[in-house]
Amino acid sequence: DQQVKQNSPSLSVQEGRISILNCDYTNSMFDYFLWYKKYPAEGPTFLISISSIKDKNEDGRFTVFLNKSAKHLSLHIVPSQPGDSAVYFCAAENQGGKLIFGQGTELSVKP
Amino acid sequence: DTAVSQTPKYLVTQMGNDKSIKCEQNLGHDTMYWYKQDSKKFLKIMFSYNNKELIINETVPNRFSPKSPDKAHLNLHINSLELGDSAVYFCASSPISSVGGNEQFFGPGTRLTVL
Repeated sequence: DQQVKQNSPSLSVQEGRISILNCDYTNSMFDYFLWYKKYPAEGPTFLISISSIKDKNEDGRFTVFLNKSAKHLSLHIVPSQPGDSAVYFCAAENQGGKLIFGQGTELSVKP
Repeated sequence: DTAVSQTPKYLVTQMGNDKSIKCEQNLGHDTMYWYKQDSKKFLKIMFSYNNKELIINETVPNRFSPKSPDKAHLNLHINSLELGDSAVYFCASSPISSVGGNEQFFGPGTRLTVL
């Protein structure tokens, strides 16, 4: 029973355009949501997070939107750059501090 | 300087063997974790230690035993390896704990292949 799901295994976007990565979750008790980015042969690196009491958090080109009623969050990257090509993991944090990850979406940004 | 390091990076072994993966962090963090990324790419937490004490222990077979000699190290020992143990294992650390949306810092991963 997967509590965090990323239903798109891959996404291809043109450089300069917006990338939108989606994530759905089932547990309304999650406190925080985080996005991690992973390059091949490396560990995931933290990108941005959002508290469950907010609906938007922005950091430079990266914005995360949270829709609690739909149990849905999304990561927007604008403008997308070729260096953004990586696997993006959505994660939810429960009250015990445990992170539950989705299976990732591979983003390819084409020049 | 590598913040979270793991050794070895690749590990190929026969079924039934016992093996260990080592993890070290030089960030001064109190909390360390082991994750398993399976063939379906899900990253699942296995264990979490805070200052050498076990705080998260998921439903992992007891063939897996974490050992934390000090708060900078969290090693993973696996007994009687099975084919299904083949995966990428990631170590991570965070300050105090990751509660509150604090980021975790991941190592580069160890790809374990059991033949």
